[in-house]
Amino acid sequence: EMQLAESGGGLVQPGGSLRVSCAASGFSVSNNYMSWVRQAPGKGLEWVSVIYSGGTTYYADSVRGRFTISRDLSKNTLYLQMNTLRAEDTAVYYCVRDVIAEYGSNGFDIWGHGTMVTVSS
Amino acid sequence: SSELTQDPAVSVALGQTVRITCQGDSLRRYYASWYQQKPGQAPVLVIHGKNMRPPGIPDRFSGSRSGNTATLTITGAQAEDEADYHCNSRDSGDNHYVFATGTKVTVL
Repeated sequence: EMQLAESGGGLVQPGGSLRVSCAASGFSVSNNYMSWVRQAPGKGLEWVSVIYSGGTTYYADSVRGRFTISRDLSKNTLYLQMNTLRAEDTAVYYCVRDVIAEYGSNGFDIWGHGTMVTVSS
Repeated sequence: SSELTQDPAVSVALGQTVRITCQGDSLRRYYASWYQQKPGQAPVLVIHGKNMRPPGIPDRFSGSRSGNTATLTITGAQAEDEADYHCNSRDSGDNHYVFATGTKVTVL
């Protein structure tokens, strides 16, 4: 069974840093487009960042320059390093797999359970 | 970057058909994907591409596109279909993705 499991969320002060992780099982992150998607309390979904199978990365304007997406292929794990955190970064962070490599069109078919990041003093 | 818009809420009588729309310029180039999200749970992909359902998604869910509008149709809505539905697509012009704000579906 293909699964994703996030970890590393918590409470951090404004301006602080946090790294969240996402362990994949049942498939390889190296062969897929992997993204982070977040959801602020009571709000909709917001795409944050993607890492392509070739390693190229892209970021939403709201996090560019502060967040870094990466992966460890030996651990089959995705990461999101978050620096200079702001109150508006408070959200549940999900890692997701895009089916685009298989079907040629976008669709996030595997979601983790999410990890909550709270930015507050 | 592009934007996608959805109506905030829609209701449907049990067993009837409901259509949820998503509008945006990116949909002229890319198909929408649709996600069902129930309270306290992660979203679930229900439709992607031209009209593809992942394994386990009932065939009462279908998708279509016309111009800049994508539509998710639930034919014969069931009580368990009450949820928030989000659409997303690739963002035209760059390597980003975009989500709409979601539609809350109430089954009466």
